[in-house]
Formats: sequence, C-alpha cells, structure tokens
Amino acid sequence: EVVLTQSPATLSLSPGETATLSCRASQSVSTHLAWYQQKPGQAPRFLIYDASNRATGIPARFSGSGSRTDFTLTISSLEPEDFAVYYCQQRSDWPPTFGGGTKVEIK
Amino acid sequence: EVQLEESGGTLVQPGRSLRLSCTASGFTFGDYAMSWVRQAPGKGLEWVGFIRSQRFGGTPEYAASVKDRFTISRDDSKNIAYLQMNSLKSEDTAVYYCCRDTSGPGDRDVDWYFDLWGRGTLVTVSS
Repeated sequence: EVVLTQSPATLSLSPGETATLSCRASQSVSTHLAWYQQKPGQAPRFLIYDASNRATGIPARFSGSGSRTDFTLTISSLEPEDFAVYYCQQRSDWPPTFGGGTKVEIK
Repeated sequence: EVQLEESGGTLVQPGRSLRLSCTASGFTFGDYAMSWVRQAPGKGLEWVGFIRSQRFGGTPEYAASVKDRFTISRDDSKNIAYLQMNSLKSEDTAVYYCCRDTSGPGDRDVDWYFDLWGRGTLVTVSS
C-alpha cells in the first residue's frame, strides 16, 4: 500500500503567517490526493481534492499543489480557526491511505 | 442539515462483537458509497472499509486488518449504514467515523474521497 509521510509533525506559527505542509508518497499517486483538517473532538473536514481543487465552501487561503510523490498544502495568512491537525490522503492505489498528520499550533 | 451521526460505541471485551450505526440526514443516502474510517487514540486515520450504493450492487470491501472480522451493510430505507465488528481485539480500540464518498449519483461506484464525516463513536476493547 502507498505510505504517505507528512512533515513536519508540528508547525508552530502565529496568526497571519503562512503555513506550508508537506506530504510525500512512497510511489506516484499522480494528483489523486486530498487534504483534511481535524480539530480536537471534531470530525475531519474535506479541504482539497485532486491535489489542488478546493472543496465546496473552503476559503481561498487554503491551496494545494504537487503531483506524483510530492504535495504541499499552503495556508496563507493563518486565521485562529486554522490551528488544527491536517492529514493528506491518497486514492490512487487501493486501499486508500492517510498520512500521519501535521499539527499546526499557535506559536 | 446535511450530516452523519455514528452511534453504538462502548467498552467491550476482547473477542466479543459490536455493531455501530451511521445515520444520515439531509441528503439522498442511497446515492452514495459510504466508508468507515477509524482513529486509534493519539494516532492517525485508517480506512476500514466501504459499501457501494445499491446502484452498483451494494457490495462492500475491507482493509486487510479487518477483513473476515468486520462486515459493512446498509439500509437505505432507514438511511443507515452499519459496521458489524466481530472477534474484537485491543488494537481495534479507536474512534470510528462514517464518511460519505464523493462519488454520489455520478457514474463511478466510488471516488475514494470523503466529503462528509460524522463526529465519530468511541470503541474501547479491553478486559
């Protein structure tokens, strides 16, 4: 199965700064990658699909890029509600797999 | 309101069985493939299995870690998906989420992206 490795494990930033999160796949997944946001005690929220397409209702400050094995989620000008854990997920190869997550915390 | 709500999680002894339910509202449940994803305490997300919509046969698929122990079913008349868990092990301890697949009423049986999640239900397997 495809292993997704997310880095860094934790990102300490201040509101207004830009967050850059990485997801690396153990083999090419083309652009079949999604990103999710999870806050404590809440369900994950669908943010990005096919590497760069924002899901319905997702603010423009969230953007995704990348292809094959290297992907990036960028959150421009962090808002207080953006501090959370972010997961990437691939659908290129069965079974679908998730990365281990990156926690974006307030510095 | 479009939502999913899981129920049925509890403390259960190793080797016993448990059935979780996922009740959908606010959308045409029968049009969608549904998955179960779990999250062990302090860990990441693990896909458990899914069931196709009846239009594509309503058949399930499972992760290797639960195959032959877990069974997913659905009752579209009640807007409910079920996860039957047998022979439970301590490593099955997790919050279990049900998720809606993005395939919807389109021409694909499954997309493998999950655009709607419930809040989850905690299953603790311990003696």
